[in-house]
Amino acid sequence: QKEVEQNSGPLSVPEGAIASLNCTYSDRGSQSFFWYRQYSGKSPELIMFIYSNGDKEDGRFTAQLNKASQYVSLLIRDSQPSDSATYLCAVLSGSARQLTFGSGTQLTVLP
Amino acid sequence: DVKVTQSSRYLVKRTGEKVFLECVQDMDHENMFWYRQDPGLGLRLIYFSYDVKMKEKGDIPEGYSVSREKKERFSLILESASTNQTSMYLCASSFTHGRGNSYNSPLHFGNGTRLTVT
Repeated sequence: QKEVEQNSGPLSVPEGAIASLNCTYSDRGSQSFFWYRQYSGKSPELIMFIYSNGDKEDGRFTAQLNKASQYVSLLIRDSQPSDSATYLCAVLSGSARQLTFGSGTQLTVLP
Repeated sequence: DVKVTQSSRYLVKRTGEKVFLECVQDMDHENMFWYRQDPGLGLRLIYFSYDVKMKEKGDIPEGYSVSREKKERFSLILESASTNQTSMYLCASSFTHGRGNSYNSPLHFGNGTRLTVT
């Protein structure tokens, strides 16, 4: 069983809409949660990280964490074509010191 | 800004060759990692290191070894390259802050090395 699950997509949204990306994880002891964006042919870059239950906002991006449901999400408001990329969810479990990545969700924002 | 530099952007090697992938980071990070990324499989951890001369196996260590003789440098070695090791290889680093493992800093990735084994 994969430890970090993401819907692989592709997910398409129109420009200006809200894109919602979801991630579930299996280890209840997980402590830290990260969202990375990866453009085609490029390496992943960090967008957001969240440690505590609730919402964390940074510009157009909001990360949401619900540890009871073992669920973390990323909302992108006012989506732009430049947001088109693969979004990787990564989880640091309580027992490990390395991140476990989901397989990523491919997002396309249509002009 | 953290800089993680991988020595080669593209490499083409023959089956059976010994291959070295080099990674250097300039932020005095304790932790360094090697991942490979394949379509549909995501990022998979090969090896990681928390300190000089330390190494630990990740999820897919078979066919690989690593070396960390200096804090800033982490090398991935393919002892005898095979075609199934054709992939994108990504090096990353992070530091550990706070007590224990709970608050590792986010990973900073290098630009990747696309290795083709023929």
